[in-house]
Amino acid sequence: ELKVEQNPLFLSMQEGKNYTIYCNYSTTSDRLYWYRQDPGKSLESLFVLLSNGAVKQEGRLMASLDTKARLSTLHITAAVHDLSATYFCAGLSAGNMLTFGGGTRLMVKP
Amino acid sequence: DAEITQSPRHKITETGRQVTLACHQTWNHNNMFWYRQDLGHGLRLIHYSYGVQDTNKGEVSDGYSVSRSNTEDLPLTLESAASSQTSVYFCASSEGEYQPQHFGDGTRLSIL
Repeated sequence: ELKVEQNPLFLSMQEGKNYTIYCNYSTTSDRLYWYRQDPGKSLESLFVLLSNGAVKQEGRLMASLDTKARLSTLHITAAVHDLSATYFCAGLSAGNMLTFGGGTRLMVKP
Repeated sequence: DAEITQSPRHKITETGRQVTLACHQTWNHNNMFWYRQDLGHGLRLIHYSYGVQDTNKGEVSDGYSVSRSNTEDLPLTLESAASSQTSVYFCASSEGEYQPQHFGDGTRLSIL
């Protein structure tokens, strides 16, 4: 059974700073996904990581995957207030079923 | 544009009542999913379907049922609502295996 853990659960940071969110998973996962959720809103797909060593970047966010360590990271570069949201990672197991981490609530302060 | 629509967006009901949450997608996706979101738990899978007449139990399926009579809809029914089922419910769909799931806007359900 796939289990996914994120840390930290809550992150408060200043604008302009860098930080990393970590996502560990327990067993082999076919894919690793990152989603963003704004308060009271739906989930928006950010990245799909397909294989070991995969790296994807969009603006100030960069996601990577290390399948040997069963670890994905979401790195935030020079944070801005608009990045404030909750970020979820999710692993994909057989049958296209997603198992989500508990989420990281990010607050970026001016 | 294709979309996935949930209704109602908010509902308050009493324990013991039967409740049905609607999910309608115009993506023509075969795969549809229901999740519940609770603080500290992320999203947990309730039921899922890979096509018409196909339904499967997820991680937290007790007390819930779904039916799939067409491609577009996957209604979620709480047979006898319990206070522990107070949550935000999300429906999602995907084109196929490995494709990102598209989520609806959610239904906030309160059971008193």
